[in-house]
Amino acid sequence: SQKIEQNSEALNIQEGKTATLTCNYTNYSPAYLQWYRQDPGRGPVFLLLIRENEKEKRKERLKVTFDTTLKQSLFHITASQPADSATYLCALRGGANNLFFGTGTRLTVIP
Amino acid sequence: DAGITQSPRHKVTETGTPVTLRCHQTENHRYMYWYRQDPGHGLRLIHYSYGVKDTDKGEVSDGYSVSRSKTEDFLLTLESATSSQTSVYFCAISVTGASEQYFGPGTRLTVT
Repeated sequence: SQKIEQNSEALNIQEGKTATLTCNYTNYSPAYLQWYRQDPGRGPVFLLLIRENEKEKRKERLKVTFDTTLKQSLFHITASQPADSATYLCALRGGANNLFFGTGTRLTVIP
Repeated sequence: DAGITQSPRHKVTETGTPVTLRCHQTENHRYMYWYRQDPGHGLRLIHYSYGVKDTDKGEVSDGYSVSRSKTEDFLLTLESATSSQTSVYFCAISVTGASEQYFGPGTRLTVT
């Protein structure tokens, strides 16, 4: 069965540093991978989508890489700020019309 | 929350009672989804719809049914609620089955 692992349940980082979150998957050959942000008590918010033929995608301070050989995606937040504190979810396309989500990594940026 | 509302936002019900959750969108997106989110499991797909009257099962569909009679509304029904269905339920929408999803604010359901 498909399995998605987000390596760290929680990650603490000092303000201004780069946060790196990991998403590993098995038994998949996803055409694309997505990253979402979720704040407590709210629904997830879409951040970035990266396709299998793209090695890297950037949006402002966010960067996502996708290595289909390693079956891994890395999500980077540069110059992290306390406002970046949230849970970050990766998601992969499971079938024709749905996504499978990881359990998330809770990021805390310490001032 | 991208023109998506969920009702009710909170509900407490007793085991064995029927429960219906509603998702309403104003974006005219074709695809709608129901997820549940539980500690340690993340978001899991219950059912989804790819058009009016077109629905399909997700990963955890047992004990749930859905209906979509209009583009803007997607209903999730628990025919006979059980304590294992205590969870936070999220509705999501997307333009296509492969595009990013936009989530509603969630419904916290407690089955006692």
